[in-house]
Amino acid sequence: AQSVSQHNHHVILSEAASLELGCNYSYGGTVNLFWYVQYPGQHLQLLLKYFSGDPLVKGIKGFEAEFIKSKFSFNLRKPSVQWSDTAEYFCAVNMGHASGGSYIPTFGRGTSLIVHP
Amino acid sequence: GAGVSQSPSNKVTEKGKDVELRCDPISGHTALYWYRQSLGQGLEFLIYFQGNSAPDKSGLPSDRFSAERTGGSVSTLTIQRTQQEDSAVYLCASTPWSGDADTQYFGPGTRLTVL
Repeated sequence: AQSVSQHNHHVILSEAASLELGCNYSYGGTVNLFWYVQYPGQHLQLLLKYFSGDPLVKGIKGFEAEFIKSKFSFNLRKPSVQWSDTAEYFCAVNMGHASGGSYIPTFGRGTSLIVHP
Repeated sequence: GAGVSQSPSNKVTEKGKDVELRCDPISGHTALYWYRQSLGQGLEFLIYFQGNSAPDKSGLPSDRFSAERTGGSVSTLTIQRTQQEDSAVYLCASTPWSGDADTQYFGPGTRLTVL
């Protein structure tokens, strides 16, 4: 079965540290890739997405992610984190699974990021 | 504009009772998803509605779970004879259309606690 793995479940950093959150998926076909973020007390919202073109995508708040097809990875990065980046981060992959014409994304378990000021 | 809304925000119920959770998607969004998020787990897909097509129910964990979407808009997720393992946050999301690149717009969720 298709799956999405986020290897880091809990990450604690100090402000200004660099961040990289891993995301790997298991599917050999065409994929569309997403990172969602959930700030404390807020809804899940899109951080960035990739569906074609430049494999390095930039999102909001200085985040970026790189799609490496050969590694089945879509890691999230930020060169210098801020206290306000404290949140839960979810990787999601739409593997083109079709059931009556629908598309259902698969989410990873999430990574809890705590940034100390 | 208004986002996805869900009600109630919190629901505490006793084991064996039925519960109904409501989702109001963004106006004009044709696709609607229900997910379940348990502590320390990712989002578990439950059911998907797209326009007037038959829903994809492949994620429903048991026949105690059902959902409907009336008039292509509001959706209700019903859990019958609730069990303690049903305790979770139930999230609803909508998208403008069915497609690989769609962004999911999430509601705030309903936190269900089964005593």
